[in-house]
Amino acid sequence: RKEVEQDPGPFNVPEGATVAFNCTYSNSASQSFFWYRQDCRKEPKLLMSVYSSGNEDGRFTAQLNRASQYISLLIRDSKLSDSATYLCVVTGYSSASKIIFGSGTRLSIRP
Amino acid sequence: DGGITQSPKYLFRKEGQNVTLSCEQNLNHDAMYWYRQDPGQGLRLIYYSQIVNDFQKGDIAEGYSVSREKKESFPLTVTSAQKNPTAFYLCASSSGTGKGTEAFFGQGTRLTVV
Repeated sequence: RKEVEQDPGPFNVPEGATVAFNCTYSNSASQSFFWYRQDCRKEPKLLMSVYSSGNEDGRFTAQLNRASQYISLLIRDSKLSDSATYLCVVTGYSSASKIIFGSGTRLSIRP
Repeated sequence: DGGITQSPKYLFRKEGQNVTLSCEQNLNHDAMYWYRQDPGQGLRLIYYSQIVNDFQKGDIAEGYSVSREKKESFPLTVTSAQKNPTAFYLCASSSGTGKGTEAFFGQGTRLTVV
């Protein structure tokens, strides 16, 4: 079983739609969770951190469910510029842990 | 400005050659990482280092080597033993100083075997 698993997509949704992605992780001792965004042929960039009960930033909401070992990302009122690959990242509490990336979920927003 | 610098941005290698990819950071981060990304795929961990003069193999270390002689630098050598080296290589660093270990990335190096 992979340490971090994501639905690869692609998700193809119309502009203005709400879309949600899930990511599951296998190590129950994981402490830190992030969503990164990667545009085509570019490096990943931090989108949101997800610590305890979740995080909201404008149209983006990230949730953590420790009991079921998954995190989610919700995008409301999607824009064309939201088209990208979204990577789930799981790590421990210090640099003694590896940073593990999911394989990413591709999102395409159509006009 | 603080950040991570990878060079070169594009690199072409002949079969049988070793090449070294540079990664330098001025963020004072302890941990550094190398990932490989193939088209349409996720990031796979090659090597990582948590402290100077120490590093560990990731999931796909075969055919690669690294060194960590300085905190700021973590070069990756792609050796001739790596049979399919054409890929996008990403270097990252993190502080690991408590609440989360957010990773910062360089802009990547595209390696092509010709």
